[in-house]
Amino acid sequence: DGGITQSPKYLFRKEGQNVTLSCEQNLNHDAMYWYRQDPGQGLRLIYYSQIVNDFQKGDIAEGYSVSREKKESFPLTVTSAQKNPTAFYLCASTPTSRGAETQYFGPGTRLLVL
Amino acid sequence: GQNIDQPTEMTATEGAIVQINCTYQTSGFNGLFWYQQHAGEAPTFLSYNVLDGLEEKGRFSSFLSRSKGYSYLLLKELQMKDSASYLCAVRNTGTASKLTFGTGTRLQVTL
Repeated sequence: DGGITQSPKYLFRKEGQNVTLSCEQNLNHDAMYWYRQDPGQGLRLIYYSQIVNDFQKGDIAEGYSVSREKKESFPLTVTSAQKNPTAFYLCASTPTSRGAETQYFGPGTRLLVL
Repeated sequence: GQNIDQPTEMTATEGAIVQINCTYQTSGFNGLFWYQQHAGEAPTFLSYNVLDGLEEKGRFSSFLSRSKGYSYLLLKELQMKDSASYLCAVRNTGTASKLTFGTGTRLQVTL
């Protein structure tokens, strides 16, 4: 079945540690996005990519990094510079970066700091 | 920049109708989306409006007035499974399909 997968579902990070969240899609979508959601809050955009080997910062990119080496994959690294990383992280994709298509979301990764 | 406002919480009775409002200010409007999100899960797409008027899809309808910066999501014949958060999101006229989300409205359906 086509869709977006994220792994792991839960991730624990120790102080000073970098962790990488996986996002893979087999929908042949061009654009991919990473969001962060805090309890009782809406989604905030971290990074997005419209095409392979290109990505742009969103509204809250500090302390995060991404890569887009393949169309299907858009991993997010939460670095030690991110002082408050505990949140629910959602990856999304759209067929093109223009037009009326909605964003399709993966199941999310919940990151907790030990 | 963009600013999106929604009520934080609403309660309604099973079988009733509920309207969830969303107001927005944006420098360039290119569509409004409504998503449903159950606790701990990813948002799922409900509706999309880019022109003024009402879009109906089964028990769910969404309305848009661009001149007023206003939208609402109407849920009819409420069911217990409709208890969830409802997110309003606005897309701007930039080159990427970026969305700005409201904080969401938590709807509790009671017996």
